[in-house]
Amino acid sequence: GQQLNQSPQSMFIQEGEDVSMNCTSSSIFNTWLWYKQDPGEGPVLLIALYKAGELTSNGRLTAQFGITRKDSFLNISASIPSDVGIYFCAGHPQGAQKLVFGQGTRLTINP
Amino acid sequence: DAGITQSPRHKVTETGTPVTLRCHQTENHRYMYWYRQDPGHGLRLIHYSYGVKDTDKGEVSDGYSVSRSKTEDFLLTLESATSSQTSVYFCAISDPGRGYGYTFGSGTRLTVV
Repeated sequence: GQQLNQSPQSMFIQEGEDVSMNCTSSSIFNTWLWYKQDPGEGPVLLIALYKAGELTSNGRLTAQFGITRKDSFLNISASIPSDVGIYFCAGHPQGAQKLVFGQGTRLTINP
Repeated sequence: DAGITQSPRHKVTETGTPVTLRCHQTENHRYMYWYRQDPGHGLRLIHYSYGVKDTDKGEVSDGYSVSRSKTEDFLLTLESATSSQTSVYFCAISDPGRGYGYTFGSGTRLTVV
C-alpha cells in the first residue's frame, strides 16, 4: 500500500530551539495533514493543507504542502515543554479516500 | 472532545477469549475507522466503515471483525485474542463534507496475557 516516509523518527532538543520534520512520498498526494499525539491520548489535527505550495501557520507551527505534491514539512519555532509528543504526517493519495499516515516523529525537549 | 468516545479505556484479557471494543460518536460522521498503534509501526488501519452495515478491511484485519448497526456506533471484535493483539486501539471518524481530517478517540489500551 501507500507509504509515507517521515523523518526524523525522533528528536531530542533544548527548550527554545526550532524544530523541523518532513514527510515524503513516491506518489502524488491531494492533501497533507499534520497531527500531534500527547501521551495517553489520540492524535489531534494541527494543520491541514489542500493546495500545492500552500504555507499555513497555527501559532508557532508552520507547515507547507510541497510544490511537487509529494512532500510536506512542519516547523515548530521556539519550542516549549508542552510541544513534547509524537507528530504524524498524513495525506490523501490522489484518487484515494482513506488517509495514509507516516510513522511519526517523537519529540523530546530538555528544559 | 466529547464527539467521539471509546470504551473501555483499558482492558486486560486472557489469550483465546473474545473481546469487543466500542466506539461511539455524536457527530453523525459517515466514516468510522479502527486503528492499532504499536511502537515502530505508527498507526495501522484494521477496518473501516463507510456507512451503516458497510464495512471494509484495512491493512491488518486478520483476527478482527467489525460491525456497524447504527451511525453512531462502530464495534471492533477480537475473535480469539492473542498476545500479538496487545496494542493501543484508536477509533477515528471523518466526513468528506466537513473536511478531510480524521478526529480520533482517546484510545483503548488492550493487554492480552
